Amino acid sequence: EAEVAQSPRYKITEKSQAVAFWCDPISGHATLYWYRQILGQGPELLVQFQDESVVDDSQLPKDRFSAERLKGVDSTLKIQPAELGDSAMYLCASSLGAGTQYFGPGTRLLVL
Amino acid sequence: QKEVEQNSGPLSVPEGAIASLNCTYSDRGSQSFFWYRQYSGKSPELIMFIYSNGDKEDGRFTAQLNKASQYVSLLIRDSQPSDSATYLCAVLGTGGFKTIFGAGTRLFVKA
Repeated sequence: EAEVAQSPRYKITEKSQAVAFWCDPISGHATLYWYRQILGQGPELLVQFQDESVVDDSQLPKDRFSAERLKGVDSTLKIQPAELGDSAMYLCASSLGAGTQYFGPGTRLLVL
Repeated sequence: QKEVEQNSGPLSVPEGAIASLNCTYSDRGSQSFFWYRQYSGKSPELIMFIYSNGDKEDGRFTAQLNKASQYVSLLIRDSQPSDSATYLCAVLGTGGFKTIFGAGTRLFVKA
């Protein structure tokens, strides 16, 4: 069964350092999402790609966060510099259109 | 008013009982509605989706949609301890472009 892959699964970093997360969606899924989920809350959309184009990044803190999906397949989310408040689970999901989303295992980030 | 609202719980039910989880949404033009289950420390997984008013059944799960009341619910029959998780309601809004997640309801099924 096809799955969304993410790496790393866990990341511990110090504030002001740079971190990067990678996501490989299910093959053929044109839509890719990056979410941030704080404990006890629902996933918050950071950025949504349709193929290689960003279609929604309204909640992405652009002063420190960046995301790319250069060839319309895998994607990287970067934080520079990391802040204490960035500690959260970062989830990647993909879908054929705008319907059912399939989530990867997530990356748990701890900023010290 | 939040776009998608859920009671955070926890909702506690005995094993074998029916668990009823509720969700309201603000975008009257919303098109599709999804229920995801999320175990502690894991990522969300789809349980079921519903597009049309009425009920949709899948095994022990039934989703109910009332677009006039902007209300969607999930019933879990014969609840099992393994159903203990957070249940996320997700709504695909007007235009079929953006999905908004609720904060989730924590469910505990007591053995």
